[in-house]
Amino acid sequence: SSELTQDPAVSVALGQTVRITCQGDNLRRYYANWYQQKSGQAPVLVIYVKNNRPSGIPDRFSGSSSGNTASLTITGAQAEDEADYYCNSRDSSGEQYVFGTGTKVTVL
Amino acid sequence: EVQLVESGGGLVKPGGSLRLSCAASGFTFSPYTMNWVRQAPGKGLEWVSSINSRSSYIYYADSVKGRFTISRDNANNSLFLQMNSLRAEDTAVYYCAREGFKDGYNYFDCWGQGTLVTVSS
Repeated sequence: SSELTQDPAVSVALGQTVRITCQGDNLRRYYANWYQQKSGQAPVLVIYVKNNRPSGIPDRFSGSSSGNTASLTITGAQAEDEADYYCNSRDSSGEQYVFGTGTKVTVL
Repeated sequence: EVQLVESGGGLVKPGGSLRLSCAASGFTFSPYTMNWVRQAPGKGLEWVSSINSRSSYIYYADSVKGRFTISRDNANNSLFLQMNSLRAEDTAVYYCAREGFKDGYNYFDCWGQGTLVTVSS
């Protein structure tokens, strides 16, 4: 299987912009999806297939990709965006899935 | 409303077995590939297993292969995970997740609330 690496933690001032990255060789072949997980809750899909937002997800969330790196950007971070964020994609075999190591976002 | 509700978690001794269930409602269950994803206490997400609509394509993470069996009952909108030879490292919240598909790529678009499995003597 493949690995997806994320920075463990980032912080952002209220209303500012933060970018979370996810690196892995399989991202050259597969788009990353992004999930938000608030404390004690189930994950929620926020970005899928590079830069698509499910219904109900604010447009301050956006995704991008270049080479082996996928990014999730929160433009104008709000207090309610404080959470753990995970990327995921297919692994190199195409049969399994892999999740990133997770990034804890703190909104100051 | 799309809903996935897991059940069957609990405390089990090492080497024991447990069967998890996931009841789906609010959508047509049968066409969707379904997955199990777990999260150990204080740790990240780990994909466990997937099963396609007809149960013809089934995959497992290396960490559970040979011990866990995924299955589904489309007539009753249910997903299952039979877990045998359980180990302490299997302790986790187990989530049921629906798989979406767009432009040839897959993602998990709906998650249950999870059920806790604790493996301890």
